[in-house]
Amino acid sequence: EAGVTQFPSHSVIEKGQTVTLRCDPISGHDNLYWYRRVMGKEIKFLLHFVKESKQDESGMPNNRFLAERTGGTYSTLKVQPAELEDSGVYFCASSFRNRAILDGYTFGSGTRLTVV
Amino acid sequence: GESVGLHLPTLSVQEGDNSIINCAYSNSASDYFIWYKQESGKGPQFIIDIRSNMDKRQGQRVTVLLNKTVKHLSLQIAATQPGDSAVYFCAENTPGGYNKLIFGAGTRLAVHP
Repeated sequence: EAGVTQFPSHSVIEKGQTVTLRCDPISGHDNLYWYRRVMGKEIKFLLHFVKESKQDESGMPNNRFLAERTGGTYSTLKVQPAELEDSGVYFCASSFRNRAILDGYTFGSGTRLTVV
Repeated sequence: GESVGLHLPTLSVQEGDNSIINCAYSNSASDYFIWYKQESGKGPQFIIDIRSNMDKRQGQRVTVLLNKTVKHLSLQIAATQPGDSAVYFCAENTPGGYNKLIFGAGTRLAVHP
């Protein structure tokens, strides 16, 4: 079974530019989550999709971040315009719908974003 | 790979010793807890979980202890191996929080031969 796949693995952009991160969850997983880890700090929740709907976006830091999951398959997270404090590792995770938390998540390897 | 941070607490152990990693969780209403292992360049990997109606759970070489009175979790790794070197995170889930996980700050485990 293919795992959660994230693209790109690394991205270096200049402040003010736009970056789009992509996550392909495990096939059949309705739940898709975005988290990020700013350097040296804890992993923080950003948002949660159930299929194409946003279930919880309480962790999105501001309106420069836009997440979509059209069709309920892969998801994108766009940062526009990027700021220096957006640097960190962005993780995506997915899980089955009805056994979500008790099954645990499957995490992708993350996208390391560096804003210079 | 990702820099795991200069500010993380670090536990250094000798190969073959037992390791104990501690975590203080934030919400007394949390009823489900998970330990994750993160190696450089990889995502968090599930190790073991425990529900709040238990105070101990054992896996292969790992044991999780839960003390709800003081909101404390620990992960014990027996006979630590070089491959156990990583950053370890605890995470909690609260009823009504859907499937959101709240992660602790992480501890780096360094295993020396």
